[in-house]
Amino acid sequence: QKEVEQNSGPLSVPEGAIASLNCTYSDRGSQSFFWYRQYSGKSPELIMSIYSNGDKEDGRFTAQLNKASQYVSLLIRDSQPSDSATYLCAVKYGANSKLTFGKGITLSVRP
Amino acid sequence: ETGVTQSPTHLIKTRGQQVTLRCSSQSGHNTVSWYQQALGQGPQFIFQYYREEENGRGNFPPRFSGLQFPNYSSELNVNALELDDSALYLCATNTEAKNIQYFGAGTRLSVL
Repeated sequence: QKEVEQNSGPLSVPEGAIASLNCTYSDRGSQSFFWYRQYSGKSPELIMSIYSNGDKEDGRFTAQLNKASQYVSLLIRDSQPSDSATYLCAVKYGANSKLTFGKGITLSVRP
Repeated sequence: ETGVTQSPTHLIKTRGQQVTLRCSSQSGHNTVSWYQQALGQGPQFIFQYYREEENGRGNFPPRFSGLQFPNYSSELNVNALELDDSALYLCATNTEAKNIQYFGAGTRLSVL
């Protein structure tokens, strides 16, 4: 059973702080990794994708991938109240395959 | 705006009934995947269609079935509805070249 684990949460940080969200996955054959943001009652919205070991930065967001440790993380710098949402980690095992999601981490940014 | 449209937005059915959910996407998005998201959980893969053929299926019973049409639209059909089928149903599409799935707004199904 291929699994994606997001064990920590809910997470609460003050406005302006760095939020760190973590995710582990079970299948070493995983090729693609995604972070989706989901506001309450809405559908998931892609915020980051990463395919190679290391860091990938996009604005206030940085995704980090470590395939040896089967670990992917998302850092949100200068957190804003509008970042308050559930963050879903998703993994793909092939080019045209399904996404396997974690349960999600709920982030609350306190003004 | 992802270009993926789902209908209806909300639906209320009673146990035992049948339901059809619809999804349409941009031209060229020849892969469509359907997911079920129960409250407080991540989306769970139901099945995927590629060029009108089923291309993978998750751990869902046969009463969950689907279709993809030449115009890139798709349907999810659920027969003999059960209370546990109450969830947000999400459609996601992507092109053959792009590895990224974009989601529609979802259909909220309530089974009473």
